[in-house]
Amino acid sequence: EAGVAQSPRYKIIEKRQSVAFWCNPISGHATLYWYQQILGQGPKLLIQFQNNGVVDDSQLPKDRFSAERLKGVDSTLKIQPAKLEDSAVYLCASSHMQGAHYEQYFGPGTRLTVT
Amino acid sequence: RKEVEQDPGPFNVPEGATVAFNCTYSNSASQSFFWYRQDCRKEPKLLMSVYSSGNEDGRFTAQLNRASQYISLLIRDSKLSDSATYLCVVNKAAGNKLTFGGGTRVLVKP
Repeated sequence: EAGVAQSPRYKIIEKRQSVAFWCNPISGHATLYWYQQILGQGPKLLIQFQNNGVVDDSQLPKDRFSAERLKGVDSTLKIQPAKLEDSAVYLCASSHMQGAHYEQYFGPGTRLTVT
Repeated sequence: RKEVEQDPGPFNVPEGATVAFNCTYSNSASQSFFWYRQDCRKEPKLLMSVYSSGNEDGRFTAQLNRASQYISLLIRDSKLSDSATYLCVVNKAAGNKLTFGGGTRVLVKP
């Protein structure tokens, strides 16, 4: 079974530029998550989708971050404009359903450096 | 206070030794608990769930203490391949919103 796919794997941009990340979850997984992991910290949930609807975006900085999951499959996360503190690994995860007992599977992440 | 707190380590462990570390959580309404493992520059992967009665998976034992609001992970007979960061994860609601601790780094040395 193919895992969660993410691209690009690495991205370097200058502050105030825009960037977009793409995620393809495991086939059949209804729930998709975007996390931000700053070096030395644990992942922090940015947004959670159930199919193509947003379940939780309480920690998403909505003035600069946006995400969508059209057709309930692939998802994109965008940052516009980027700040230095956005330098982090952006992890996408998916699970079969919502619910505490459904394991979340993570993609390899996109490592973003903002200079 | 952070929702989930961990000693960042590193815990330097001789190969074959036993190592244990804890994680505390602040929300008494937390329902589910997990340990994830994250290798350097890799994604987190589920190591084990933590049940109220405690549970064991090979050389790994997890315990939950609801009264004191902490979970623990014990690794017996440490292998070099156990070197990783161990993330404590708490789910406080049925919607599968996970809150991660900052991780405990374990280095197993020959």
